[in-house]
Amino acid sequence: EAGVAQSPRYKIIEKRQSVAFWCNPISGHATLYWYQQILGQGPKLLIQFQNNGVVDDSQLPKDRFSAERLKGVDSTLKIQPAKLEDSAVYLCASSYPTGRGYTFGSGTRLTVV
Amino acid sequence: QKEVEQNSGPLSVPEGAIASLNCTYSDRGSQSFFWYRQYSGKSPELIMSIYSNGDKEDGRFTAQLNKASQYVSLLIRDSQPSDSATYLCAVRNTGNQFYFGTGTSLTVIP
Repeated sequence: EAGVAQSPRYKIIEKRQSVAFWCNPISGHATLYWYQQILGQGPKLLIQFQNNGVVDDSQLPKDRFSAERLKGVDSTLKIQPAKLEDSAVYLCASSYPTGRGYTFGSGTRLTVV
Repeated sequence: QKEVEQNSGPLSVPEGAIASLNCTYSDRGSQSFFWYRQYSGKSPELIMSIYSNGDKEDGRFTAQLNKASQYVSLLIRDSQPSDSATYLCAVRNTGNQFYFGTGTSLTVIP
């Protein structure tokens, strides 16, 4: 089975610029998650989708971050404008609705300078 | 209080020894517990899940859950240098939210 696909792998932007990340989950996985992992820390959930609906976005900084999953399959996460503290790896993961652990993509490493 | 707490380490064990990793969680009603392994520069990889009190064994790995003490552990028997990684504990709480600990760095010394 193909894994969770993410792009790009790396991105370097200047502060106040915007950036977007893309994720395609494993086929059949209705639940999709975006995590932020800052160096030396555990992943922090930003947003969880069930199909194309948002289940949990309580930790998403909504003044600058947005995410969508319009057709219930792939998803994009956007940051606008970026801050230095947004430098992190952005991980996408997907699972069946039972949520018994899930599979991560390879992540996008964002550096804001 | 953090949802999930782990000792960040680093933990060093000699090759062939047992590595013991520990995790505590704050939401007493949590039902699902997971251990992920993360190699440097890589994404987390699920290695164990446990849902009921007691032990669950999978090869060299044993997950232990004690809901009364709100404590989850991972034992790695016959540790190998390839086990050197950061181990993340994750918990699904009563609000169906996933929380990760900060991870414990393990080094297995040949």
